[in-house]
Amino acid sequence: TQLLKQSPQFLSIQEGENLTVYCNSSSVFSSLQWYRQEPGEGPVLLVTVVTGGEVKKLKRLTFQFGDARKDSSLHITAAQPGDTGLYLCAGVGQGNLIFGKGTKLSVKP
Amino acid sequence: DADVTQTPRNRITKTGKRIMLECSQTKGHDRMYWYRQDPGLGLRLIYYSFDVKDINKGEISDGYSVSRQAQAKFSLSLESAIPNQTALYFCATSDGDGRPYEQYFGPGTRLTVT
Repeated sequence: TQLLKQSPQFLSIQEGENLTVYCNSSSVFSSLQWYRQEPGEGPVLLVTVVTGGEVKKLKRLTFQFGDARKDSSLHITAAQPGDTGLYLCAGVGQGNLIFGKGTKLSVKP
Repeated sequence: DADVTQTPRNRITKTGKRIMLECSQTKGHDRMYWYRQDPGLGLRLIYYSFDVKDINKGEISDGYSVSRQAQAKFSLSLESAIPNQTALYFCATSDGDGRPYEQYFGPGTRLTVT
């Protein structure tokens, strides 16, 4: 069974701080995605990474796919209250998406 | 207007009742999915459909059934609701001809079974 473990589960920081959240597995994935979910809404796709070692930037968010395609990280620079939400990673495996349980981020003003 | 809509947004029902959750999409995608989300358990796949004549069980299909009435409509039924089906339910779509694993989610239905 392919599993994705996300850490930390919860993160509470002040506005302006930097943070990194992680998504790890013992399995190889052909690609990996990151979603953000705000309270009362469905997850929204942020990025897809496909190649081992790939780095993608989306404004203050930097996503990295591990060389072995088993792990990924999301780094946020100068976090803002609008970054608050549940961050989910999802790997493509066995024909469907497998989701991690998420990191719940709270950014206080 | 939202690309993926779900009705109802909230529902409270009693044990043993039959309930249907509906999903419609205007994205023109061929693939549709139903997930449930529980605190601490993440998103789990219930059923998925790659086109109107294709229905597949997901990780946790017991106690649920689905119907793909048209390319744009995919409904989820609980034949006899039980309290442990209390959860947040999401419908999602993806484009099988484009990026099939990039999913677009509806706003969710919060279901409470008492």
